[in-house]
Amino acid sequence: DGGITQSPKYLFRKEGQNVTLSCEQNLNHDAMYWYRQDPGQGLRLIYYSQIVNDFQKGDIAEGYSVSREKKESFPLTVTSAQKNPTAFYLCASSRSGTGGWYEQYFGPGTRLTVT
Amino acid sequence: GDSVTQMEGPVTLSEEAFLTINCTYTATGYPSLFWYVQYPGEGLQLLLKATKADDKGSNKGFEATYRKETTSFHLEKGSVQVSDSAVYFCALSASYNQGGKLIFGQGTELSVKP
Repeated sequence: DGGITQSPKYLFRKEGQNVTLSCEQNLNHDAMYWYRQDPGQGLRLIYYSQIVNDFQKGDIAEGYSVSREKKESFPLTVTSAQKNPTAFYLCASSRSGTGGWYEQYFGPGTRLTVT
Repeated sequence: GDSVTQMEGPVTLSEEAFLTINCTYTATGYPSLFWYVQYPGEGLQLLLKATKADDKGSNKGFEATYRKETTSFHLEKGSVQVSDSAVYFCALSASYNQGGKLIFGQGTELSVKP
């Protein structure tokens, strides 16, 4: 089955540690995205990538880093510089075509808790 | 900049009631519009979409019509079920040169009681 996988589902870290969240897709989509969701709020874009080896900052990129070495993979590192990292993190992907960019498909999310 | 505004939640309805969740947007150009649904502890699922003015998206009994004149994309369902309890997000796509970015509303929580 095609889709997006995120691992792990729950992640616990101590303050001051960097942590990397995994996102893999087998949909052959060009673009991938990372969002952050806080309780009772909408989604805020952290980073996105339209092609391999290229990515752009979203609205809340500070304290995060990404890489896009393969089309299928877009890992997100939450660094110790992120002031409030506890949140639900969602990865998504989409394809492009003559009509522009199509709808995004989402993974199941990773809930990160930093204490 | 582009933005999406949804009606405040939570919305509580009895089973078989009529549902409307309002969504209005501000955007340059002609964005595509989407409704996503999120069940507790899960990612978002695409519920329906519309790509141009007057398009009606529909899925699983839900409908929404892209109204350019009122910049709206309200979600409706004629008879809700307990299983429809979830958070619903309205979203629009930014312009093509922004890599398919989606702008989301804040979400509306729906609770359906038996």
